[in-house]
Amino acid sequence: AQSVSQHNHHVILSEAASLELGCNYSYGGTVNLFWYVQYPGQHLQLLLKYFSGDPLVKGIKGFEAEFIKSKFSFNLRKPSVQWSDTAEYFCAVNAPGTYKYIFGTGTRLKVLA
Amino acid sequence: KAGVTQTPRYLIKTRGQQVTLSCSPISGHRSVSWYQQTPGQGLQFLFEYFSETQRNKGNFPGRFSGRQFSNSRSEMNVSTLELGDSALYLCASSFVGTGADNEQYFGPGTRLTVT
Repeated sequence: AQSVSQHNHHVILSEAASLELGCNYSYGGTVNLFWYVQYPGQHLQLLLKYFSGDPLVKGIKGFEAEFIKSKFSFNLRKPSVQWSDTAEYFCAVNAPGTYKYIFGTGTRLKVLA
Repeated sequence: KAGVTQTPRYLIKTRGQQVTLSCSPISGHRSVSWYQQTPGQGLQFLFEYFSETQRNKGNFPGRFSGRQFSNSRSEMNVSTLELGDSALYLCASSFVGTGADNEQYFGPGTRLTVT
């Protein structure tokens, strides 16, 4: 069955700490990969996406993610977090050309000022 | 360009009732998808519509249904509401065309509470 696992459900960091959120997927065939963020009281917004090419993808607000095909992983990273990064982060996959996204259960990040 | 809009934003219903939620996609977007978001479960795919046809469906009971109109606006309906249907229902739209990617743009959601 298609699935996405986010192993860290809650993460608490101090400002300037480095961030890495794990995402593993189980999906037969080629995939597109996404990270979305949901700030408190706001819509889900796209942080970054991977369709093909360079497996290291850079997104908005200094976030990046690396697609490792052999590990079925797409981990999100940021070298130095800010208080404003406090939010819930969702990893998602879908098959190219389709609009059915499979989401992980999300990781709540709290950054302490 | 206006974003995805959903109405109503909040809704309280009683068990056994039915409810209809509405979604207006971004202008020019013809694919509309619906998701249920609950704590601990994350976002779960309900269904996707394109050109008034349901193209994909998630693993939800038949009480959950939807439709899409010729102007791409979509509605979802939940009949015989259960307490477990309490959730945030999100709508997402996508542009479908040559060179388009699969990126989905999400609305603010409708918060449904079933008592």
